[in-house]
Amino acid sequence: DAGVIQSPRHEVTEMGQEVTLRCKPISGHDYLFWYRQTMMRGLELLIYFNNNVPIDDSGMPEDRFSAKMPNASFSTLKIQPSEPRDSAVYFCASSLKGRGIYNEQFFGPGTRLTVL
Amino acid sequence: DAKTTQPPSMDCAEGRAANLPCNHSTISGNEYVYWYRQIHSQGPQYIIHGLKNNETNEMASLIITEDRKSSTLILPHATLRDTAVYYCIVSFYSGGGADGLTFGKGTHLIIQP
Repeated sequence: DAGVIQSPRHEVTEMGQEVTLRCKPISGHDYLFWYRQTMMRGLELLIYFNNNVPIDDSGMPEDRFSAKMPNASFSTLKIQPSEPRDSAVYFCASSLKGRGIYNEQFFGPGTRLTVL
Repeated sequence: DAKTTQPPSMDCAEGRAANLPCNHSTISGNEYVYWYRQIHSQGPQYIIHGLKNNETNEMASLIITEDRKSSTLILPHATLRDTAVYYCIVSFYSGGGADGLTFGKGTHLIIQP
């Protein structure tokens, strides 16, 4: 089992540029979560999907952020245009309903985003 | 979700039991207690969860008080690799599937050699 895969691991971009973060969940998992971690705000839930459908996007900070899940094995988080305050580590996590442990989420290694 | 209160940091000697407390005085009857940890520069990792009974797995034990207002995570024989931030999370069990987790500031556990 390869675990949750995220790419890129590090991204450095300039303010105003579009940034796309990618996530491949664990095969067979039906829930996918995007979190953001900063020193100031800690770990925050941005959005999550069930069976590729967005369930709760109330954590998405503003319209510059968008997330998609075109199929069960791939999701993207896009920031357009990016701003320095978007600098953070972005984590993707997945889980499987029916294990009896509904909130056992498996996290990826994260993408460290720096916006200059 | 109910809020939790944890000490910001703790030290423990290697080989000893590490006991991490968590207060969740406003927990409701259908909310579970979850523990996750985050080792430096890695994603959080699930440790254990419970409702009202004590639980044990290969990583840790979870002791929940009878009134469910507090709990303790026990790492029975701490090693240097257990140095991490430990998060106590209370999460509603809807029965309909998973929910996003609300992380607090956690406890930074430092295992001393």
